[in-house]
Amino acid sequence: NAGVTQTPKFQVLKTGQSMTLQCAQDMNHNSMYWYRQDPGMGLRLIYYSASEGTTDKGEVPNGYNVSRLNKREFSLRLESAAPSQTSVYFCASSEKGTGYGYTFGSGTRLTVV
Amino acid sequence: GNSVTQMEGPVTLSEEAFLTINCTYTATGYPSLFWYVQYPGEGLQLLLKATKADDKGSNKGFEATYRKETTSFHLEKGSVQVSDSAVYFCALTYNQGGKLIFGQGTELSVKP
Repeated sequence: NAGVTQTPKFQVLKTGQSMTLQCAQDMNHNSMYWYRQDPGMGLRLIYYSASEGTTDKGEVPNGYNVSRLNKREFSLRLESAAPSQTSVYFCASSEKGTGYGYTFGSGTRLTVV
Repeated sequence: GNSVTQMEGPVTLSEEAFLTINCTYTATGYPSLFWYVQYPGEGLQLLLKATKADDKGSNKGFEATYRKETTSFHLEKGSVQVSDSAVYFCALTYNQGGKLIFGQGTELSVKP
């Protein structure tokens, strides 16, 4: 009953470094999402993948890239980290359609110094 | 555009008090509405949902009714416990893509 697994849980980067946040789900969900959470701003969608083989930009995609590696895995890459990308990142998955809720991972707390 | 507005927190209550967290939305068509809860240091968990007007979602003593006439989905609980201390997010999905739009979250703190 793993659900959505994110790695790593914590990361500190220097400005300009790159890294990839990993996400995997074992519920056979079609859709996967990356959000960032900042104080007072709720969760904002970075990128999503409605189904295997497709990816689309969300509300705040600048500075990020994604890869839907297969149905299970959806990674988020920061090519050149900036302090403005300091945030908590959440991956989520869902069945396709408007009536279904999401299952969230436990988050990655990223600090860029 | 589509959006969700929640009452600002933090909300501080004594144990066994009545809870209301207001949520209103703006959306075209007929969105599905959700409440999520985030306990300290954890990810979000689905608390309850309603997919059409006048539906009532309920779970763990929490309730919310989908009111299309007032575009609202207020969260209520009759008697809160210390263990209910968390951040609560109202959210909607508005198209077949199923993307969730979140409110800014309301922090609830329950004191013994």
